[in-house]
Amino acid sequence: AQTIHQWPVAEIKAVGSPLSLGCTIKGKSSPNLYWYWQATGGTLQQLFYSITVGQVESVVQLNLSASRPKDDQFILSTEKLLLSHSGFYLCAWSLVGGSYEQYFGPGTRLTVL
Amino acid sequence: AQSVTQPDARVTVSEGASLQLRCKYSYSGTPYLFWYVQYPRQGLQLLLKYYSGDPVVQGVNGFEAEFSKSNSSFHLRKASVHWSDSAVYFCVLSASSGSWQLIFGSGTQLTVMP
Repeated sequence: AQTIHQWPVAEIKAVGSPLSLGCTIKGKSSPNLYWYWQATGGTLQQLFYSITVGQVESVVQLNLSASRPKDDQFILSTEKLLLSHSGFYLCAWSLVGGSYEQYFGPGTRLTVL
Repeated sequence: AQSVTQPDARVTVSEGASLQLRCKYSYSGTPYLFWYVQYPRQGLQLLLKYYSGDPVVQGVNGFEAEFSKSNSSFHLRKASVHWSDSAVYFCVLSASSGSWQLIFGSGTQLTVMP
């Protein structure tokens, strides 16, 4: 069975500080990977997707970047946090080929003060 | 342009009552449609999916949804709700053209009163 793990569970960070969030998928070879952002009480906005190691496509510009250093790992980061970065960050995976359902991780709650 | 509309931001029902959560989509091609549920402070769980075929699809925990091409709708139903069904429900569209992007509705907060 596939498992998806996100770390950390929650973060409280200062404006202007750096950030790194991680996601690992086990039990699935070469999945498509995705990062989403959800404002408190809001809907989900896709940020990035990756179909293979080393290749990441940006969907929305939010002063964030993403990388896929390993087949099963997806990293979201920024060098300088903004207040608007606060929210819930979700990683997801899907089968290769697009269009299919995506499976979400437990999420990371980020509070920027 | 592709979009998903969930017209009801909040729905409150009594335990044991039937439920319908509404979803309308806009997409010129053949849509792939999903319903996801999000419990407080958790990730999203897939309830059910529609790709083609029988317009009524069954999901987990007694949920079902009906696809209507003529009405551009994909409403979620349950015959008898339980208090544990209280959560936020998202209707989601994927373009069948091979796009990796999911289009989310704004979500419906369901509260089941005991």
